[in-house]
Amino acid sequence: GAGVSQSPSNKVTEKGKDVELRCDPISGHTALYWYRQSLGQGLEFLIYFQGNSAPDKSGLPSDRFSAERTGGSVSTLTIQRTQQEDSAVYLCASSLTSENEQFFGPGTRLTVL
Amino acid sequence: AQTVTQSQPEMSVQEAETVTLSCTYDTSESDYYLFWYKQPPSRQMILVIRQEAYKQQNATENRFSVNFQKAAKSFSLKISDSQLGDAAMYFCAYCTSGTYKYIFGTGTRLKVLA
Repeated sequence: GAGVSQSPSNKVTEKGKDVELRCDPISGHTALYWYRQSLGQGLEFLIYFQGNSAPDKSGLPSDRFSAERTGGSVSTLTIQRTQQEDSAVYLCASSLTSENEQFFGPGTRLTVL
Repeated sequence: AQTVTQSQPEMSVQEAETVTLSCTYDTSESDYYLFWYKQPPSRQMILVIRQEAYKQQNATENRFSVNFQKAAKSFSLKISDSQLGDAAMYFCAYCTSGTYKYIFGTGTRLKVLA
Protein backbone atom coordinates (compact mmCIF):
# COMPACT_ATOMS: atom_id res chain seq x y z
CA GLY A 1 0.00 0.00 0.00
CA ALA A 2 0.94 3.67 0.03
CA GLY A 3 3.70 4.84 2.32
CA VAL A 4 3.74 7.72 4.75
CA SER A 5 2.98 11.00 3.03
CA GLN A 6 3.59 14.54 4.21
CA SER A 7 2.45 17.91 2.98
CA PRO A 8 3.55 20.39 2.02
CA SER A 9 6.90 19.23 0.72
CA ASN A 10 8.38 22.66 1.28
CA LYS A 11 7.09 25.62 3.24
CA VAL A 12 8.53 29.12 3.34
CA THR A 13 7.05 31.46 5.90
CA GLU A 14 7.79 34.75 7.57
CA LYS A 15 8.88 35.02 11.16
CA GLY A 16 5.89 35.28 13.46
CA LYS A 17 3.45 33.41 11.21
CA ASP A 18 1.79 30.12 12.18
CA VAL A 19 2.32 26.97 10.07
CA GLU A 20 0.62 23.60 9.89
CA LEU A 21 2.39 20.47 8.69
CA ARG A 22 0.42 17.39 7.78
CA CYS A 23 1.24 13.69 8.00
CA ASP A 24 -0.75 10.81 6.53
CA PRO A 25 0.50 7.55 8.06
CA ILE A 26 0.31 4.10 6.55
CA SER A 27 -3.23 2.78 6.88
CA GLY A 28 -3.63 0.65 9.99
CA HIS A 29 -0.56 1.98 11.76
CA THR A 30 -1.51 2.90 15.31
CA ALA A 31 1.73 4.64 16.26
CA LEU A 32 2.84 7.94 14.77
CA TYR A 33 5.95 10.01 15.44
CA TRP A 34 7.21 13.47 14.60
CA TYR A 35 10.91 14.27 14.34
CA ARG A 36 12.86 17.41 13.54
CA GLN A 37 16.05 17.29 11.50
CA SER A 38 18.18 20.41 11.59
CA LEU A 39 21.10 20.93 9.21
CA GLY A 40 24.03 18.73 10.16
CA GLN A 41 22.11 17.08 12.96
CA GLY A 42 20.45 13.76 13.48
CA LEU A 43 16.75 13.34 14.02
CA GLU A 44 15.33 14.92 17.14
CA PHE A 45 12.24 13.26 18.60
CA LEU A 46 9.30 15.61 19.06
CA ILE A 47 6.15 13.66 19.91
CA TYR A 48 4.64 10.18 19.83
CA PHE A 49 0.99 9.27 19.24
CA GLN A 50 -0.67 5.99 20.09
CA GLY A 51 -4.02 6.19 18.39
CA ASN A 52 -5.30 9.71 18.97
CA SER A 53 -3.54 10.25 22.27
CA ALA A 54 -0.03 11.57 22.77
CA PRO A 55 1.53 9.81 25.77
CA ASP A 56 4.89 11.41 25.09
CA LYS A 57 5.22 15.08 24.17
CA SER A 58 8.57 15.43 25.83
CA GLY A 59 10.41 16.43 22.67
CA LEU A 60 8.33 19.47 21.80
CA PRO A 61 10.84 22.35 22.12
CA SER A 62 8.42 25.01 23.35
CA ASP A 63 4.74 25.74 23.89
CA ARG A 64 4.65 27.22 20.38
CA PHE A 65 4.67 23.62 19.12
CA SER A 66 1.58 21.44 19.28
CA ALA A 67 0.28 18.40 17.46
CA GLU A 68 -2.92 16.48 17.15
CA ARG A 69 -4.09 13.30 15.55
CA THR A 70 -7.65 12.62 14.53
CA GLY A 71 -9.42 9.37 13.69
CA GLY A 72 -6.27 7.44 14.52
CA SER A 73 -4.92 8.56 11.19
CA VAL A 74 -3.88 12.02 9.97
CA SER A 75 -1.70 14.14 12.22
CA THR A 76 -1.01 17.86 12.13
CA LEU A 77 2.01 19.55 13.67
CA THR A 78 1.39 23.24 14.32
CA ILE A 79 4.07 25.81 15.01
CA GLN A 80 2.83 29.17 16.22
CA ARG A 81 4.72 32.43 15.91
CA THR A 82 7.51 30.79 13.95
CA GLN A 83 11.12 31.74 14.64
CA GLN A 84 14.15 31.40 12.39
CA GLU A 85 15.50 28.60 14.58
CA ASP A 86 12.40 26.57 13.66
CA SER A 87 13.81 26.16 10.14
CA ALA A 88 14.41 22.44 9.65
CA VAL A 89 13.05 19.34 7.98
CA TYR A 90 10.12 17.88 9.89
CA LEU A 91 9.79 14.14 9.44
CA CYS A 92 6.83 11.97 10.31
CA ALA A 93 6.97 8.22 10.80
CA SER A 94 4.40 5.54 11.56
CA SER A 95 4.54 1.97 12.77
CA LEU A 96 2.05 -0.86 13.15
CA THR A 97 2.49 -0.74 16.89
CA SER A 98 4.96 1.13 19.06
CA GLU A 99 7.36 -1.83 18.99
CA ASN A 100 7.50 -2.28 15.24
CA GLU A 101 9.75 -0.75 12.61
CA GLN A 102 9.09 2.90 11.89
CA PHE A 103 8.37 3.93 8.28
CA PHE A 104 9.24 7.49 7.42
CA GLY A 105 7.65 10.07 5.17
CA PRO A 106 9.64 12.36 2.87
CA GLY A 107 9.46 15.26 5.28
CA THR A 108 8.50 18.92 5.08
CA ARG A 109 11.30 21.43 4.71
CA LEU A 110 10.33 24.53 6.69
CA THR A 111 12.16 27.78 6.06
CA VAL A 112 11.42 30.74 8.30
CA LEU A 113 12.63 34.05 6.86
CA ALA B 1 20.32 8.23 28.91
CA GLN B 2 21.17 6.48 25.69
CA THR B 3 23.42 8.13 23.13
CA VAL B 4 24.50 7.29 19.59
CA THR B 5 27.73 8.60 18.11
CA GLN B 6 28.79 8.66 14.48
CA SER B 7 32.29 10.07 14.35
CA GLN B 8 32.64 10.28 10.57
CA PRO B 9 30.73 13.27 9.16
CA GLU B 10 31.69 12.32 5.63
CA MET B 11 33.17 9.31 3.83
CA SER B 12 34.09 8.62 0.21
CA VAL B 13 34.37 5.33 -1.61
CA GLN B 14 35.24 4.36 -5.13
CA GLU B 15 32.52 2.60 -7.08
CA ALA B 16 32.71 -1.20 -6.62
CA GLU B 17 34.89 -0.83 -3.51
CA THR B 18 33.98 -1.56 0.11
CA VAL B 19 33.40 1.05 2.81
CA THR B 20 32.70 0.81 6.53
CA LEU B 21 30.71 3.40 8.47
CA SER B 22 31.23 3.57 12.22
CA CYS B 23 28.69 3.87 15.01
CA THR B 24 29.08 3.59 18.76
CA TYR B 25 26.35 3.82 21.35
CA ASP B 26 25.92 3.97 25.07
CA THR B 27 23.20 2.24 27.04
CA SER B 28 22.72 0.39 30.30
CA GLU B 29 20.00 -1.76 28.77
CA SER B 30 20.65 -5.34 27.72
CA ASP B 31 17.83 -5.76 25.24
CA TYR B 32 17.63 -3.32 22.38
CA TYR B 33 17.64 -2.87 18.63
CA LEU B 34 20.09 -1.10 16.38
CA PHE B 35 19.37 0.22 12.91
CA TRP B 36 21.06 1.77 9.93
CA TYR B 37 18.91 4.12 7.89
CA LYS B 38 19.75 5.63 4.52
CA GLN B 39 18.53 9.13 3.60
CA PRO B 40 19.04 10.02 -0.07
CA PRO B 41 18.53 13.58 -1.37
CA SER B 42 14.81 12.81 -1.64
CA ARG B 43 14.84 12.93 2.21
CA GLN B 44 12.98 9.61 2.50
CA MET B 45 14.51 7.62 5.35
CA ILE B 46 14.91 3.99 4.29
CA LEU B 47 15.75 1.15 6.64
CA VAL B 48 18.93 -0.55 5.47
CA ILE B 49 19.50 -3.12 8.17
CA ARG B 50 18.37 -4.00 11.68
CA GLN B 51 20.12 -5.90 14.48
CA GLU B 52 18.59 -7.35 17.63
CA ALA B 53 21.01 -7.10 20.54
CA TYR B 54 20.24 -10.62 21.76
CA LYS B 55 21.38 -12.10 18.46
CA GLN B 56 25.08 -12.82 18.25
CA GLN B 57 25.01 -13.29 14.49
CA ASN B 58 25.64 -10.16 12.50
CA ALA B 59 22.76 -9.07 10.27
CA THR B 60 23.25 -9.00 6.50
CA GLU B 61 21.12 -7.67 3.67
CA ASN B 62 22.62 -8.31 0.26
CA ARG B 63 25.62 -5.94 -0.06
CA PHE B 64 25.05 -4.51 3.42
CA SER B 65 26.32 -6.14 6.59
CA VAL B 66 27.04 -5.06 10.13
CA ASN B 67 29.78 -5.76 12.62
CA PHE B 68 27.97 -5.79 15.96
CA GLN B 69 30.27 -5.79 18.99
CA LYS B 70 27.96 -5.73 22.01
CA ALA B 71 30.65 -5.52 24.66
CA ALA B 72 32.33 -2.64 22.87
CA LYS B 73 28.94 -1.05 22.05
CA SER B 74 29.93 -0.76 18.43
CA PHE B 75 27.72 -1.21 15.37
CA SER B 76 29.46 -0.55 12.07
CA LEU B 77 27.94 -0.86 8.60
CA LYS B 78 29.89 -2.40 5.74
CA ILE B 79 28.80 -1.70 2.18
CA SER B 80 30.36 -4.02 -0.38
CA ASP B 81 30.57 -3.42 -4.13
CA SER B 82 29.52 0.21 -3.63
CA GLN B 83 27.17 1.65 -6.24
CA LEU B 84 26.42 5.23 -7.23
CA GLY B 85 22.94 4.79 -5.77
CA ASP B 86 24.45 4.18 -2.35
CA ALA B 87 25.37 7.86 -2.09
CA ALA B 88 23.31 9.28 0.79
CA MET B 89 23.32 10.23 4.46
CA TYR B 90 23.49 7.18 6.69
CA PHE B 91 22.09 7.32 10.20
CA CYS B 92 22.68 4.86 12.99
CA ALA B 93 19.80 4.52 15.45
CA TYR B 94 19.11 2.80 18.77
CA CYS B 95 15.86 1.70 20.39
CA THR B 96 15.41 -0.03 23.75
CA SER B 97 13.32 -3.14 23.33
CA GLY B 98 9.69 -2.62 24.31
CA THR B 99 9.88 1.12 23.75
CA TYR B 100 9.29 3.34 20.77
CA LYS B 101 11.82 6.12 21.07
CA TYR B 102 14.60 5.97 18.49
CA ILE B 103 17.87 7.71 19.31
CA PHE B 104 19.71 8.80 16.16
CA GLY B 105 23.32 9.64 15.50
CA THR B 106 24.26 12.77 13.58
CA GLY B 107 24.81 10.88 10.34
CA THR B 108 27.60 10.13 7.88
CA ARG B 109 27.44 11.50 4.36
CA LEU B 110 28.66 8.85 1.93
CA LYS B 111 29.97 9.91 -1.47
CA VAL B 112 30.48 7.29 -4.17
CA LEU B 113 33.06 8.19 -6.79
CA ALA B 114 32.69 6.90 -10.35
